[in-house]
Amino acid sequence: TQLLEQSPQFLSIQEGENLTVYCNSSSVFSSLQWYRQEPGEGPVLLVTVVTGGEVKKLKRLTFQFGDARKDSSLHITAAQPGDTGLYLCAGARRSGAGSYQLTFGKGTKLSVIP
Amino acid sequence: EAQVTQNPRYLITVTGKKLTVTCSQNMNHEYMSWYRQDPGLGLRQIYYSMNVEVTDKGDVPEGYKVSRKEKRNFPLILESPSPNQTSLYFCASSPSGRTTEAFFGQGTRLTVV
Repeated sequence: TQLLEQSPQFLSIQEGENLTVYCNSSSVFSSLQWYRQEPGEGPVLLVTVVTGGEVKKLKRLTFQFGDARKDSSLHITAAQPGDTGLYLCAGARRSGAGSYQLTFGKGTKLSVIP
Repeated sequence: EAQVTQNPRYLITVTGKKLTVTCSQNMNHEYMSWYRQDPGLGLRQIYYSMNVEVTDKGDVPEGYKVSRKEKRNFPLILESPSPNQTSLYFCASSPSGRTTEAFFGQGTRLTVV
């Protein structure tokens, strides 16, 4: 059973369009992160949201953490070809050793066509 | 430049031939971990280390070993690789186990034939 469900899996849009990617779970997380991964590279952290209902903006990207801390969304306004990549959400939960363990969704592959 | 460095980037090997993938970070991070990324399965944690000489299993540890003798290095060892270990591997580090932000290396693409 996948702990974090991301949708859609694939998204192809025209430059200038808006889009939203969703990350859903039945589990509560201490925090949730969004990463972007380009081909041949490792994931790069975009943002961490910690508080239920929190909204963070990073230029044209808006991230929201659900009130119950079980889900999150990433909204991109006026997408550009440079936004193309694999977007991963990751939920953090406390492990038995007192550290946090990250669980990743399978990702949303975004293609922005010029 | 702050970074996590993995070597090699690409590796093709034969079944049963022991191999080691190295990982080094220059950020003085306490927490390091290994993930594998497979199509349709996403990123899954193999092993993690809270600090020097402290390691523990992640979600998919079978067939792998790790060691943490120095803070900066966290090698991944495949004693007897099998084809089902063909995957893209990532090393990651975090300031501590109590922080959640992970810094990833560039990945090692391993093919076991």
